[in-house]
Amino acid sequence: EAGVAQSPRYKIIEKRQSVAFWCNPISGHATLYWYQQILGQGPKLLIQFQNNGVVDDSQLPKDRFSAERLKGVDSTLKIQPAKLEDSAVYLCASSTQTGPAYEQYFGPGTRLTVT
Amino acid sequence: SQQGEEDPQALSIQEGENATMNCSYKTSINNLQWYRQNSGRGLVHLILIRSNEREKHSGRLRVTLDTSKKSSSLLITASRAADTASYFCATDATNSGGSNYKLTFGKGTLLTVNP
Repeated sequence: EAGVAQSPRYKIIEKRQSVAFWCNPISGHATLYWYQQILGQGPKLLIQFQNNGVVDDSQLPKDRFSAERLKGVDSTLKIQPAKLEDSAVYLCASSTQTGPAYEQYFGPGTRLTVT
Repeated sequence: SQQGEEDPQALSIQEGENATMNCSYKTSINNLQWYRQNSGRGLVHLILIRSNEREKHSGRLRVTLDTSKKSSSLLITASRAADTASYFCATDATNSGGSNYKLTFGKGTLLTVNP
């Protein structure tokens, strides 16, 4: 079974520029998550989709971050404009369903450096 | 905010020794999960323990959960160099509407197993 795919793996941009990340979850997984992981910390949930609907975006900085999951499959996360504090690894994960008993499968992440 | 807090922050042991990591959390949970993260394989789910369980085993892993103390421990027996990684506990919580669960990760324990 193919895992969660993410691209690009690395990205370096200057502050105030925009950037987009792409994620393709495991086939058949209804739930998709985007996490931000700052160096030395655990992942922090940014947004959670169930199929193509948002179920939790309470920690997404909506003034600069946006995400979509058209057709309920792959997803993009955008930052515009980027700030220095956005430097982090952005992880995408998926699970078969939403709920406390479902393990999440993570992609390799995109390491973003904002200079 | 991060509910789970792992202890210690870093642990260094020799191959063959056992490693114990602890996790404390603040609010009631349905389940607690442990994940491992290393540079080679990214973030990988290890084990899930439900709130009505006290102990669970998976291979060389043993997880305990004490809901009265709001704490969990992960024991890795007969450690190997390949166990070198960061280990995170993740607790679930419902959103304000009570209709969705999300995982909150701690900051992790960095385990180094020396050959």
